[in-house]
Amino acid sequence: QVQLVQSGAQLKEPGSSVRVSCEASGGTLNNYRITWMRQAPGQGLEWMGRIIPIPAIINYAQKFQGRVTITADKSTNTAYLEVRSLRSGDTAVYYCASESVPGTDNFDYWGQGTLVTVSS
Amino acid sequence: DIQMTQSPSSLSASIGDRVTITCRASQSISNYLNWYQQKPGKPPNLLIYAASNLQSGVPSRFRGSGSGTDFTLTINNLQPEDLATYFCQQSYGSPPYTFGRGTKLEIK
Repeated sequence: QVQLVQSGAQLKEPGSSVRVSCEASGGTLNNYRITWMRQAPGQGLEWMGRIIPIPAIINYAQKFQGRVTITADKSTNTAYLEVRSLRSGDTAVYYCASESVPGTDNFDYWGQGTLVTVSS
Repeated sequence: DIQMTQSPSSLSASIGDRVTITCRASQSISNYLNWYQQKPGKPPNLLIYAASNLQSGVPSRFRGSGSGTDFTLTINNLQPEDLATYFCQQSYGSPPYTFGRGTKLEIK
């Protein structure tokens, strides 16, 4: 069973970029579709995008198109989320998640979450 | 994008009660509806998938029903550990796979 392990909390200034990592421990990234979501303080969950390692398909929510990049490094079993031009509204816990049955898009594997705070 | 409207936004119930949370999709999503439980400081935990299928390890007092646009999560015999926020999520067709705004369940 795969474990998704995310990088630690980050404090960023407005206008800067952040990169969050998600390592698939105990599994092979090729076997898992990684979805990124975020949750602003006291709010619901927002689907941001996903990467399907084979055949290397990446989908983004329209809201984030052009400001977010999702990548995967198969050599390190790690997926990445980069968010550029950060603003205060991007302050949130960012989660990576995956599904044990590929293609179902219901998420039974979750990372622990990474708090990104955007503040000057 | 498909909009998910969840109600109520919060509710308070007593131990042993039956609790019902509803979720309505802005268009038909067949049975592509999932329910999650989230406790403070933790990631969500999948409870129900495909509208009515209980995820492995989830107590049988949780039950999901519905299809098309209207769905229900029922918790029977409410337990103290059920204190949490519950979210619905649609996984129909192409992404984005949107979530409801959540229902915060408090124990009286």
